Amino acid sequence: SYEVTQPPSVSVSPGQTASITCSGDKLGTKYVCWYQQKPGQSPELVIFQDSKRPSGIPERFSGSNSGNTATLTISGTQALDEADYYCQAWDSSPVFGGGTKLTVL
Amino acid sequence: QLQLQESGPGLVKPSETLSLTCTVSGGSISSSSSYWGWIRQPPGKGLEWIGTIYYGGSTYYNPSLKSRVTISVDTSKNQFSLKLSSVTAADTTVYYCARYHFGGAYFDSWGQGTLVTVSS
Repeated sequence: SYEVTQPPSVSVSPGQTASITCSGDKLGTKYVCWYQQKPGQSPELVIFQDSKRPSGIPERFSGSNSGNTATLTISGTQALDEADYYCQAWDSSPVFGGGTKLTVL
Repeated sequence: QLQLQESGPGLVKPSETLSLTCTVSGGSISSSSSYWGWIRQPPGKGLEWIGTIYYGGSTYYNPSLKSRVTISVDTSKNQFSLKLSSVTAADTTVYYCARYHFGGAYFDSWGQGTLVTVSS
């Protein structure tokens, strides 16, 4: 079965750029989306179809997908961006990454 | 604005069947572009897709759960449901319902989630 892999944790200083990767075989040929999940809350879609932002998601969130790696980039990271982030691809069914805890310190 | 709300027992005994319902408001479950799904998340762990249904009845299940899962839809009530049979402690998780955009392969609206504990 298809798998996508994320780093367990990423740290970033406020105002800097955070990059969270998602890796999978030929991932660049599949649509990837990203969810943000804060403690006690349900996941929220922040990027879909590799690089599109849903209405209401700040412009500092962007995405890319090429080769075997998709990347979620948060520019000018703020304290309120601290959360778990999950990538999700589709390979005959939805496949989630294990999640990355973003710490803003 | 579309809203989804899970409901059902918070406690289920081992070997019994877990049953949850998701009520959709602010939109029609019969929308031609929308599929509806269940996802679960053990406390402190990652997300696992359980299955997806189209309002017309087509279903898609996670192969690892397929033998125990049934998802159905009731368009008259704007609801869809999950049944998971022969539950064990490993099925103790938060269960989410969500709308799935099939063409783009993403879940764009989620319920708040409901914790189901499997215990005698």
